[in-house]
Amino acid sequence: SQQGEEDPQALSIQEGENATMNCSYKTSINNLQWYRQNSGRGLVHLILIRSNEREKHSGRLRVTLDTSKKSSSLLITASRAADTASYFCATYPVTGNQFYFGTGTSLTVIP
Amino acid sequence: DAGITQSPRHKVTETGTPVTLRCHQTENHRYMYWYRQDPGHGLRLIHYSYGVKDTDKGEVSDGYSVSRSKTEDFLLTLESATSSQTSVYFCAIRTSGGLFNEQFFGPGTRLTVL
Repeated sequence: SQQGEEDPQALSIQEGENATMNCSYKTSINNLQWYRQNSGRGLVHLILIRSNEREKHSGRLRVTLDTSKKSSSLLITASRAADTASYFCATYPVTGNQFYFGTGTSLTVIP
Repeated sequence: DAGITQSPRHKVTETGTPVTLRCHQTENHRYMYWYRQDPGHGLRLIHYSYGVKDTDKGEVSDGYSVSRSKTEDFLLTLESATSSQTSVYFCAIRTSGGLFNEQFFGPGTRLTVL
């Protein structure tokens, strides 16, 4: 399987702290994307980072990509209770038309 | 939300019955996908389409078929539902843009097979 893996599987932090989750993948990619999923809801696209980029910011989100290590990280700064959700990475390989998803990190932000 | 709707949103059915789920998009995207989401497995691709009448299998296609007779609609059919197909099903579209290809999801269909 080309599925990515997120680490940790679960993360619990206090409001105001930073949350970092990691994604590893197996093949060469065109881009990597991060999604959020609130309980019982669909996936919401957060941010895309291209294979030729190393870092990208969007509001309180910071994503890094290391193609040599085939890994990415998502940092959420100054977390809020509303950030409680599952976070998934998805890779779009150089060849093929499919996206490959990891199994997700469950983030709990305690007020 | 990229104009994606799914119907029905919830369905309970019995083993052996046929079930069809519908995905509808309003933005004329060429690529459409069907995933299932199960605890511990993340999202797994069932089938995808790259144009009208053009489809291909994903990782977990056994027991499922798809059809796309119009750009805006992508149907997923369980010919004879089994309890192992109890899951949440998501439809998605892919935007076109090389390195910028992005995926956007519908709200999901929760299917229970008794």
